Amino acid sequence: GIQVEQSPPDLILQEGANSTLRCNFSDSVNNLQWFHQNPWGQLINLFYIPSGTKQNGRLSATTVATERYSLLYISSSQTTDSGVYFCAVVAGGGGADGLTFGKGTHLIIQP
Amino acid sequence: KAGVTQTPRYLIKTRGQQVTLSCSPISGHRSVSWYQQTPGQGLQFLFEYFSETQRNKGNFPGRFSGRQFSNSRSEMNVSTLELGDSALYLCASSQINGRETQYFGPGTRLLVL
Repeated sequence: GIQVEQSPPDLILQEGANSTLRCNFSDSVNNLQWFHQNPWGQLINLFYIPSGTKQNGRLSATTVATERYSLLYISSSQTTDSGVYFCAVVAGGGGADGLTFGKGTHLIIQP
Repeated sequence: KAGVTQTPRYLIKTRGQQVTLSCSPISGHRSVSWYQQTPGQGLQFLFEYFSETQRNKGNFPGRFSGRQFSNSRSEMNVSTLELGDSALYLCASSQINGRETQYFGPGTRLLVL
């Protein structure tokens, strides 16, 4: 099946810093989503971005489908940005439509 | 619109018992998917239902099953619980299929003793 790798696995930054999270995937995709998992476990949608670039406030994302990677940018980090960020994809072709998740990036923003 | 809701939020069971978890999708959404999250295996796809039919299935044993009702609400059942079934179970809904944006509920934390 499709493989999803996220880097870095852990990231510690000071408040106000910028960060870039990367997601590599091994095959074509029909769906790519970025999530932030809150301390209670809920996955919060950040972006649906199988290709192209999107921005939402301090967050933006870019997916280059032909090169099989996606980037999540967080600017001017705040302590509330702390948590685990997941990239998840649905493989292209006629296979199952379940999301395959990466292992996540654990982001800690220190005041 | 109300988001995806899941009940119960927390559950404690003992080995050998069975458990049923419930998920109500966003109004108008007809596809419901289930995922399991454990520290060791991460987030894994269990199955997806659409129009009361299981349309996709992940790599889980037959002890894991589910169903969907005509109002799109879904339940999943785990029979003969094992310690390794302790996990956060997440439900997601989308309008038609998993290739669209999937919206997740708050999850059910299951502890098997």
